[in-house]
Amino acid sequence: DSGVTQTPKHLITATGQRVTLRCSPRSGDLSVYWYQQSLDQGLQFLIQYYNGEERAKGNILERFSAQQFPDLHSELNLSSLELGDSALYFCASSVGKSLATRETQYFGPGTRLLVL
Amino acid sequence: KNEVEQSPQNLTAQEGEFITINCSYSVGISALHWLQQHPGGGIVSLFMLSSGKKKHGRLIATINIQEKHSSLHITASHPRDSAVYICAVRSADNYGQNFVFGPGTRLSVLP
Repeated sequence: DSGVTQTPKHLITATGQRVTLRCSPRSGDLSVYWYQQSLDQGLQFLIQYYNGEERAKGNILERFSAQQFPDLHSELNLSSLELGDSALYFCASSVGKSLATRETQYFGPGTRLLVL
Repeated sequence: KNEVEQSPQNLTAQEGEFITINCSYSVGISALHWLQQHPGGGIVSLFMLSSGKKKHGRLIATINIQEKHSSLHITASHPRDSAVYICAVRSADNYGQNFVFGPGTRLSVLP
């Protein structure tokens, strides 16, 4: 158990809908990272938040948005869903703002999203 | 050409064998990570490297910055090592903000 929790575990929805994925980081961790893993694209970095502020942005679509709240949990909002958004969405957390230091990131169990 | 490549794509070994998984990258990096993804989907971060070599139990990771290459070695492999091993680099551009992942190496260790 990494200490990172994600809800829900599974989500089935229809095209055009909007969903919210939730992540609670390990106690004491200030950074939250969101990743998408699809069958055809592999793992992709979406976005990082550090202590409530956006720190880095990867391949995140404009239909997707995220935020980190004062209690440090984070939500990833996916809207106007398309079939191609079906994927595993992972969040990870770490203590500091940059994994270029000696830190480790701890991954949550993921949310499996299926868009029908 | 992908920015991060791994070889082999798939690897089957007998229990006890020494295993090497390779990662090559084409961008300047601030750090390289090795991740392990279990068959159930969970991901564990194994190593973060910016230079040299790290060892944890039966796992050893090395990096050669000049050659833009890293290797993950598993000594005395065991069936519980069966997983997908993923190399990820944190690029040195854009203030080191972006992660790029390799396609993964699927390892099966047979008893």
